[in-house]
Amino acid sequence: DAGITQSPRYKITETGRQVTLMCHQTWSHSYMFWYRQDLGHGLRLIYYSAAADITDKGEVPDGYVVSRSKTENFPLTLESATRSQTSVYFCASGTAQGTIYFGEGSWLTVV
Amino acid sequence: GQQVMQIPQYQHVQEGEDFTTYCNSSTTLSNIQWYKQRPGGHPVFLIQLVKSGEVKKQKRLTFQFGEAKKNSSLHITATQTTDVGTYFCAGISSNTGKLIFGQGTTLQVKP
Repeated sequence: DAGITQSPRYKITETGRQVTLMCHQTWSHSYMFWYRQDLGHGLRLIYYSAAADITDKGEVPDGYVVSRSKTENFPLTLESATRSQTSVYFCASGTAQGTIYFGEGSWLTVV
Repeated sequence: GQQVMQIPQYQHVQEGEDFTTYCNSSTTLSNIQWYKQRPGGHPVFLIQLVKSGEVKKQKRLTFQFGEAKKNSSLHITATQTTDVGTYFCAGISSNTGKLIFGQGTTLQVKP
């Protein structure tokens, strides 16, 4: 009973390539989020979605694209990966009351 | 912009000592949440506080929400090696409704 799953868990890609990180939740939470975590920066919000077909930018959206055609899925795409996008990416889902639940993370290395 | 500041950034304690991390917001929060992230893991929801002056306990952990709903604290009594990790506070702004994470406090416990 994972609740929220991310794939791939680990990825190495080359600069300039397109990469998509997948996120799937089984709780039917309306809200979904993508965060990146880097040393010294804590958790930074990339994009979030309040419902299917509704997405909004977070703190650091540049270089990323999201979509949410179904409530349970919220993929994050790096259109042209750069080394500065090497990070750990966490997907999360949450309720209107604000509590959020994180996936296990996707470790992305851009070489 | 709105910020949630968390101090200290790092704390090393001897096993058995107490530990406290503090969270301060520049604006009023509608609620405050606390998360724990073990090394190599993902943030896990611990608790949510909603009422002004609220105090909640979970075994050796005591969480407080300030009277003005702008600050919060997490106190661990008699730390154990299992308490190692990074503790994040996250507050929902009363103005924007957005969840904002503090930078986290990383706790190391020496056995």
